[in-house]
Amino acid sequence: DAGVIQSPRHEVTEMGQEVTLRCKPISGHNSLFWYRQTMMRGLELLIYFNNNVPIDDSGMPEDRFSAKMPNASFSTLKIQPSEPRDSAVYFCASSFSIETQYFGPGTRLLVL
Amino acid sequence: AQSVTQLGSHVSVSEGALVLLRCNYSSSVPPYLFWYVQYPNQGLQLLLKYTSAATLVKGINGFEAEFKKSETSFHLTKPSAHMSDAAEYFCAVSVRNEKLTFGTGTRLTIIP
Repeated sequence: DAGVIQSPRHEVTEMGQEVTLRCKPISGHNSLFWYRQTMMRGLELLIYFNNNVPIDDSGMPEDRFSAKMPNASFSTLKIQPSEPRDSAVYFCASSFSIETQYFGPGTRLLVL
Repeated sequence: AQSVTQLGSHVSVSEGALVLLRCNYSSSVPPYLFWYVQYPNQGLQLLLKYTSAATLVKGINGFEAEFKKSETSFHLTKPSAHMSDAAEYFCAVSVRNEKLTFGTGTRLTIIP
């Protein structure tokens, strides 16, 4: 299996622009998680889906962030408009059981 | 709500020496506990997990951890450190609702 796939791996954009991060979970997994990692705040769970339905979005920072999972093999995390403080590494993870999450390689976002 | 505390944000050990990374958890119900490792510019990788079976858990790369309920601890150990063990290590807890709560991480440095 190819593992969790994220794209792009790196994104540089200017403040105010829309950013879309993409994730393809491992085939057969029914839960998907979006995390953000920064030096200051560590690893934060933004939102997670189970069977394509958002279960907990309490970690989404504000209305500028939105996430969708239109089907079992694809999810997006969108930031509109982006701000410099959104600069971070964004990870997607997927799991089948409640025991083990498999992480993607991450998207490194820099907002200028 | 569950939480984990990792004692020591940075740990340095000599090559060949014992590695000990500390993790204490807080949970109102029996937890599942995990250790993940993150190498530079990569996603998190599962090292080992405790899911209420044997209290001594063996993982990949020679690491192991022991669940001690009386001490609410789940410390990670490796008898002999190798240069390739240099990475950041995260302890995490779940109470069976799929949501992992991560600690702040411990950066392990190996001294030649």
